[in-house]
Amino acid sequence: SQQGEEDPQALSIQEGENATMNCSYKTSINNLQWYRQNSGRGLVHLILIRSNEREKHSGRLRVTLDTSKKSSSLLITASRAADTASYFCATDKEGAQKLVFGQGTRLTINP
Amino acid sequence: DAGVIQSPRHEVTEMGQEVTLRCKPISGHNSLFWYRQTMMRGLELLIYFNNNVPIDDSGMPEDRFSAKMPNASFSTLKIQPSEPRDSAVYFCASSFSGSTNEQFFGPGTRLTVL
Repeated sequence: SQQGEEDPQALSIQEGENATMNCSYKTSINNLQWYRQNSGRGLVHLILIRSNEREKHSGRLRVTLDTSKKSSSLLITASRAADTASYFCATDKEGAQKLVFGQGTRLTINP
Repeated sequence: DAGVIQSPRHEVTEMGQEVTLRCKPISGHNSLFWYRQTMMRGLELLIYFNNNVPIDDSGMPEDRFSAKMPNASFSTLKIQPSEPRDSAVYFCASSFSGSTNEQFFGPGTRLTVL
């Protein structure tokens, strides 16, 4: 089974609203990353948070990490139509290089 | 930099035929990953290489699948013989193992096996 599981599976909001997606994982991790995938394209790295960090910002993105609950959240503020995409969390276990991706959240921003 | 390059972008073949997917990683990256993405199973890691050596092939579905990395700038994923259930989008990604494991994905190959 996938290490990371996103919630919700699909999210539809109005442009300008904030979008929050959650990710849960099962084992101890080194880093947690978030990726975006536009329809018909490859995944693009958005942001990485290390296991010893609790919060990180990048532009309109805010990521939190709670290692005690083995969960992370991705917040996109002031959403735009161009943010419409699928968002995946990915974790790498301590000492391992490969990433394990969740099933993704499909985000739709309505104009 | 051109990014990760994959070819072909689309492949339509008939059941039983051999399929070869190709990948050129980003120059300087020493790790390469092959993934398969379907609606039902999501994104699955098939195999990954570090310094051209296969490290983990536990995700390869069966013996019909094989992957090679003869040098640092080229890798192939071969399916022989192909079956309809192999229809999926196959992604190649590369990274530099000395960093944070951020992976750079290619555009993918959409494979349809009839």
